[in-house]
Amino acid sequence: EAAVTQSPRNKVTVTGGNVTLSCRQTNSHNYMYWYRQDTGHGLRLIHYSYGAGNLQIGDVPDGYKATRTTQEDFFLLLELASPSQTSLYFCASSDLRGATEVFFGKGTRLTVV
Amino acid sequence: QQQVRQSPQSLTVWEGETAILNCSYEDSTFNYFPWYQQFPGEGPALLISIRSVSDKKEDGRFTIFFNKREKKLSLHITDSQPGDSATYFCAASGVNAGAKLTFGGGTRLTVRP
Repeated sequence: EAAVTQSPRNKVTVTGGNVTLSCRQTNSHNYMYWYRQDTGHGLRLIHYSYGAGNLQIGDVPDGYKATRTTQEDFFLLLELASPSQTSLYFCASSDLRGATEVFFGKGTRLTVV
Repeated sequence: QQQVRQSPQSLTVWEGETAILNCSYEDSTFNYFPWYQQFPGEGPALLISIRSVSDKKEDGRFTIFFNKREKKLSLHITDSQPGDSATYFCAASGVNAGAKLTFGGGTRLTVRP
């Protein structure tokens, strides 16, 4: 089964702070994704990538940057964190476009105070 | 505008009953509809999926019913068990969505013994 590992699992930062969330997948999947999960909104796509050096804009990208450094590693960057970015963040990966299983990590809970 | 909607937001059933979770969507180009199951502290995991060429998909106690004309689908969980208590997400993707999955807001299911 595909493995997606996120770090850290929990993070507290101050408003205006810099945060980097890390994700690594070990099944050589082409696609990697960053979602945020908020009650009532389900999962909303922030950014995604189909390979090293590639970045695609998701549905809620404002305030976030992302970088895919290798096939395995995908990072989410919050350069000026705001309380509205307090959320549960999930990284995910999949092998092909769209209609295939997406494998999720266990999530990173971020609190911006 | 939420492209994928779920109802109810929460549902409680007794052990042995059938739980019915509803989902509707806006985009007529959506053609792939997975349901994800999420337990507390975990990432979502694929439970069952259907493509728009079918009107029913069954996997054990889990069945998806799909109505393309009305843009609605439902997940039926028969003989519900306490271990089925989780949050269930309906998602959708299609020819214009590329690698993007759009998720609904989720239904939190509680199965009482």
